[in-house]
Amino acid sequence: GAVVSQHPSRVICKSGTSVKIECRSLDFQATTMFWYRQFPKQSLMLMATSNEGSKATYEQGVEKDKFLINHASLTLSTLTVTSAHPEDSSFYICRLGQLSGGYTFGSGTRLTVV
Amino acid sequence: AQTVTQSQPEMSVQEAETVTLSCTYDTSESDYYLFWYKQPPSRQMILVIRQEAYKQQNATENRFSVNFQKAAKSFSLKISDSQLGDAAMYFCACYQGAQKLVFGQGTRLTINP
Repeated sequence: GAVVSQHPSRVICKSGTSVKIECRSLDFQATTMFWYRQFPKQSLMLMATSNEGSKATYEQGVEKDKFLINHASLTLSTLTVTSAHPEDSSFYICRLGQLSGGYTFGSGTRLTVV
Repeated sequence: AQTVTQSQPEMSVQEAETVTLSCTYDTSESDYYLFWYKQPPSRQMILVIRQEAYKQQNATENRFSVNFQKAAKSFSLKISDSQLGDAAMYFCACYQGAQKLVFGQGTRLTINP
């Protein structure tokens, strides 16, 4: 099946700084990538959908200017958390869109903002 | 809006026994897919099993099988011969359309040795 590589796995940053998370599709053309956020002991909440070559679509309540998504190629989608604050601390995980790709998830990124 | 409900926040089973995790869903789609994902402590989401709604036959993957009741909108997961490595959070998910997945709240499965 498809493989999605997500980096970094863990990141600690200072409040006010920005953090970039990358999801790379290693063997599959990722025209669509989904970004989720998961708080401890909770389910996955969809944040946004990134489409290669076009603007991302965001779920209701997700700040576009805070969570910047770029999907410039068929192999790479990035999520940048801008001006991070402690409440942004969470587990972020990406998922490949195409069913033929097995709906594969990245390994996730644990973000801690101090 | 689509909803997926897992009514069992926690379940436990003795090693080598069988356990069934429940899931109900609601969708307006005529053609859809249902999934069970496993999330171990590493938090990697692992696809356990997938069911196409148009297929009447229940999906099976080794020790994992589903009981898909389309009319009742029920999609339970049966784990046979439970192993310690099966301990994890299990999420039921329904394909929403536009490739989106809607997830249930999750069931934490504990395996007692």
